[in-house]
Amino acid sequence: QVQLVQSGAEVKRPGASVKVSCEASGLTFTNDFIHWVRQAPGQGLEWLGVINPFTGSTSFAPRFQGRVTVTRDTSTSTFYLDLRGLRSDDTAVYFCARADISVTAVPDDWGQGTLVTVSP
Amino acid sequence: EIVMTQSPATLSVSPGERATLSCRASQGVSSNLAWYQQKPGQAPRLLIYGASTRATGIPARFSGSGSGTEFTLTISSLQSEDFAVYYCQQYNNWPPITFGQGTRLEIK
Repeated sequence: QVQLVQSGAEVKRPGASVKVSCEASGLTFTNDFIHWVRQAPGQGLEWLGVINPFTGSTSFAPRFQGRVTVTRDTSTSTFYLDLRGLRSDDTAVYFCARADISVTAVPDDWGQGTLVTVSP
Repeated sequence: EIVMTQSPATLSVSPGERATLSCRASQGVSSNLAWYQQKPGQAPRLLIYGASTRATGIPARFSGSGSGTEFTLTISSLQSEDFAVYYCQQYNNWPPITFGQGTRLEIK
């Protein structure tokens, strides 16, 4: 089983950027995909994007295109979500999650979540 | 973007009884449908994928059915640990992956 450990909570001002990290142990770079999903307080789940750890290629939800970047550091098996131009409605818990290549769009191992608060 | 709609928003069921949760897609998603369980303060937990295949370690009381636009998650005999929020997710036509708004399963 893959274990995902995320960075700690962040408080940011509107217009700022935030970078959330996700360190993966037990990941198989050729077989796994890392997704990013967020959840606003009291709300449902919203998918942001995915990265192929082996190739580094990414795909994002259209509404986040141009505002989000996902990168990886292969030497430390760490993945990064960078969200720019923060607004109050970006306040949410951000999760990284792993999906196996057999079902690349269905994450089955999740990080503990990182609370990002956007406040003036 | 495919819109997923879950019903009901809240379902009240007694322990030991059966719970039936519904999920509808705005267009056909074949069998590319997953279900997750989420408890307060925790990450989601994968229950079902491929509309009806249980994930590793998921008890047999959880079952999924449906294809196309109509899906059902059934919990045959509710245990205390099953009271949570449940989400469906389509992955037939992505990006983006899309989730339903959730069904809260509460103790009656």
